[in-house]
Amino acid sequence: DAKTTQPPSMDCAEGRAANLPCNHSTISGNEYVYWYRQIHSQGPQYIIHGLKNNETNEMASLIITEDRKSSTLILPHATLRDTAVYYCIVRVSRTNAGKSTFGDGTTLTVKP
Amino acid sequence: GAVVSQHPSWVICKSGTSVKIECRSLDFQATTMFWYRQFPKQSLMLMATSNEGSKATYEQGVEKDKFLINHASLTLSTLTVTSAHPEDSSFYICSALTGPVAYNSPLHFGNGTRLTVT
Repeated sequence: DAKTTQPPSMDCAEGRAANLPCNHSTISGNEYVYWYRQIHSQGPQYIIHGLKNNETNEMASLIITEDRKSSTLILPHATLRDTAVYYCIVRVSRTNAGKSTFGDGTTLTVKP
Repeated sequence: GAVVSQHPSWVICKSGTSVKIECRSLDFQATTMFWYRQFPKQSLMLMATSNEGSKATYEQGVEKDKFLINHASLTLSTLTVTSAHPEDSSFYICSALTGPVAYNSPLHFGNGTRLTVT
């Protein structure tokens, strides 16, 4: 599975949109992009995933560039409860799903 | 939907004893589950892949006789830490994939178990 690169930390003001970037320049055509987050002392939580089209659900939006080499997770109105470590994962095969490398992620701190 | 329940959420045990951690998929059948451990300020490290009805596949460096995994049903996998030592103290997390239909289905995680060995 392709490697991803994320900034180690970001701050965001409460109520503002949080835009978290992820670089996956070696992604192949059949690899999906997944986003998870982990709030302190909890298990990771699935947020959203996509292949090439932009996706939106009740938690967030995922914007994938046309060349698919990068993506952005958007939390439209960040709250203090969105403070967490956010992981961007690229994965192709369900048989290797558990081997997805979580890396260090981006620590998002939402400030009042 | 896709809820994974992990129990207990925390446990303290004495050195030399064994501890069992349960991971249940509450509203779906999980043919494959995964077990991770996470040390403070570090990312998740995959320990093993658990497949229903067959032996678990362990990652390199993980002692299969120390970390016993059983996946006897489509909704339950257990991790038993045998003869626990203080260095086994960690945050253990399980995850599961939903059924075999969608190959791009995401992982769903339990809330983790904090193990402290004294």
